Amino acid sequence: SQTIHQWPATLVQPVGSPLSLECTVEGTSNPNLYWYRQAAGRGLQLLFYSVGIGQISSEVPQNLSASRPQDRQFILSSKKLLLSDSGFYLCAWSGTGGFGNQPQHFGDGTRLSIL
Amino acid sequence: AQKVTQAQTEISVVEKEDVTLDCVYETRDTTYYLFWYKQPPSGELVFLIRRNSFDEQNEISGRYSWNFQKSTSSFNFTITASQVVDSAVYFCALSGPTGANNLFFGTGTRLTVIP
Repeated sequence: SQTIHQWPATLVQPVGSPLSLECTVEGTSNPNLYWYRQAAGRGLQLLFYSVGIGQISSEVPQNLSASRPQDRQFILSSKKLLLSDSGFYLCAWSGTGGFGNQPQHFGDGTRLSIL
Repeated sequence: AQKVTQAQTEISVVEKEDVTLDCVYETRDTTYYLFWYKQPPSGELVFLIRRNSFDEQNEISGRYSWNFQKSTSSFNFTITASQVVDSAVYFCALSGPTGANNLFFGTGTRLTVIP
């Protein structure tokens, strides 16, 4: 069966520090991968998605970036964090064969607090 | 444009009561997909159900049931005989037929089941 791992679970970082959140998927090949952010008490905002190695699409201009160095690895990064980057970050994967009808499966999330 | 509205921000019920979570959507696509996700206090999003726009059959899974009505663009979710473990934020989502960036979430309904 497929599993998705996301770490760390919790992170507290000072403003201006770098960021690296990692997500890996097991049990499937060539998944579509996604990074979402959920601000407190709000819905999910799609940040990045990837349909293959090295292929990253950005949905929201910001100081975050994403990379997909391996088929089942998706990394969210920042060179300098802002206070507004605080939130709950969720990684997700979906199968190929059409985007629309494939449910997305989420990791446990990372709670990021910027001080 | 795609849009999902969950007008109920928070709902509280007493254990064993039935509760319905409303979801209204907007789309210009003739083919689309609707989803419900559950986000318990631990944070991860759990996929509950997917419906496609051509299948208006209602679905029942244990204490959960879903009522899809294209005439009113609604996809409501009912929990029968609610339990404390049902306490969570529930998200309704809409996806178009193509495009990895085409999944739109509502803002969620926080359900609290009081013992």
